[in-house]
Amino acid sequence: EADIYQTPRYLVIGTGKKITLECSQTMGHDKMYWYQQDPGMELHLIHYSYGVNSTEKGDLSSESTVSRIRTEHFPLTLESARPSHTSQYLCASRDRGAGGYTFGSGTRLTVV
Amino acid sequence: GIQVEQSPPDLILQEGANSTLRCNFSDSVNNLQWFHQNPWGQLINLFYIPSGTKQNGRLSATTVATERYSLLYISSSQTTDSGVYFCAGGNGAGSYQLTFGKGTKLSVIP
Repeated sequence: EADIYQTPRYLVIGTGKKITLECSQTMGHDKMYWYQQDPGMELHLIHYSYGVNSTEKGDLSSESTVSRIRTEHFPLTLESARPSHTSQYLCASRDRGAGGYTFGSGTRLTVV
Repeated sequence: GIQVEQSPPDLILQEGANSTLRCNFSDSVNNLQWFHQNPWGQLINLFYIPSGTKQNGRLSATTVATERYSLLYISSSQTTDSGVYFCAGGNGAGSYQLTFGKGTKLSVIP
């Protein structure tokens, strides 16, 4: 079944740790996105990619980085986590034609 | 970038009631989507509707692109409709990047 997967679902880590949030999709979509969402708030775009070896920063300044070495994989890395990074991170993908986004289930990150 | 305004911010409905949610855009959009976020945080795409009207069961949406707004209709609401409804839009070369509104939090009570 074609879908988009995010792991881990929940993560609690200490300040200063390096973490990678995984996002993979099996739909062959060329466009992928990372959004950050605080509880009860709107989503903010932090990174996007239009294909392999293409990555751009979004509207919201973020200390995270992304890579797109394979079409299906779009991981997000925080080199040194801080409590201000506590949030939900949502990954999405979209085909090149007209159509809506498909979102993953999200990763709820807590930095203590 | 474009600004997205949603109304109302909160809505409480009795089960079986109908409702209309509104989304206004500060500029024209050629990519407009409605989403439902359930209480567990999962975002589900409801409609891709840059213009015109679409229906899916008890939900329907209408976008009037020339007047920069979109409406989401929920008929015969059920408790499972509870959650947050977001609209999002994009335009021009950045139409693939969506700007989200703050959402309408809907609570349907039995």
